[in-house]
Amino acid sequence: RKEVEQDPGPFNVPEGATVAFNCTYSNSASQSFFWYRQDCRKEPKLLMSVYSSGNEDGRFTAQLNRASQYISLLIRDSKLSDSATYLCVPASGGYQKVTFGIGTKLQVIP
Amino acid sequence: NAGVTQTPKFQVLKTGQSMTLQCAQDMNHEYMSWYRQDPGMGLRLIHYSVGAGITDQGEVPNGYNVSRSTTEDFPLRLLSAAPSQTSVYFCASSLGQGVETQYFGPGTRLLVL
Repeated sequence: RKEVEQDPGPFNVPEGATVAFNCTYSNSASQSFFWYRQDCRKEPKLLMSVYSSGNEDGRFTAQLNRASQYISLLIRDSKLSDSATYLCVPASGGYQKVTFGIGTKLQVIP
Repeated sequence: NAGVTQTPKFQVLKTGQSMTLQCAQDMNHEYMSWYRQDPGMGLRLIHYSVGAGITDQGEVPNGYNVSRSTTEDFPLRLLSAAPSQTSVYFCASSLGQGVETQYFGPGTRLLVL
């Protein structure tokens, strides 16, 4: 089983739609979880951390289910500018103990 | 601040050639690292450094050398390029060890023929 599994997509959604991505991880020692955004041919950038209680940042909501070892990202009211690849990143320590997922590609259509 | 800079942006090499990918940061970060990103795979850590004069191997270090003579610079050397090293290379720096604190450079696209 891969350490991090993500559906590569693409997810094609109309503007204004709500879209959700899931990510499963296999390392039960993972302590910290993050979502990164990567635009085409650009570097990854931190979108948000994922806390056990779940957290929200504007239109973005991240949730963690430790028992089932998955994290999710919900995007409400999708914008064209949300088009990007979203990387799931669980960490069991410092950046030396991090696994980057392959990412899920989102395409928001006018 | 320029942040993390990488040169070149794009490079084509022939098998067996050597080259150095440059990475520099002006944020006085102690931690620097190199990643490669390949289609269908997540970013993988090649080498990292926790300060000037200190380097260590990451997940995929074979075929690459690094050195850290100054806080600002962390070059990645390919001694004898192979087609398997065709990839996009990202350099990152951070004040601490948390992955969420890393700043990534814009990347170098390398094609080895």
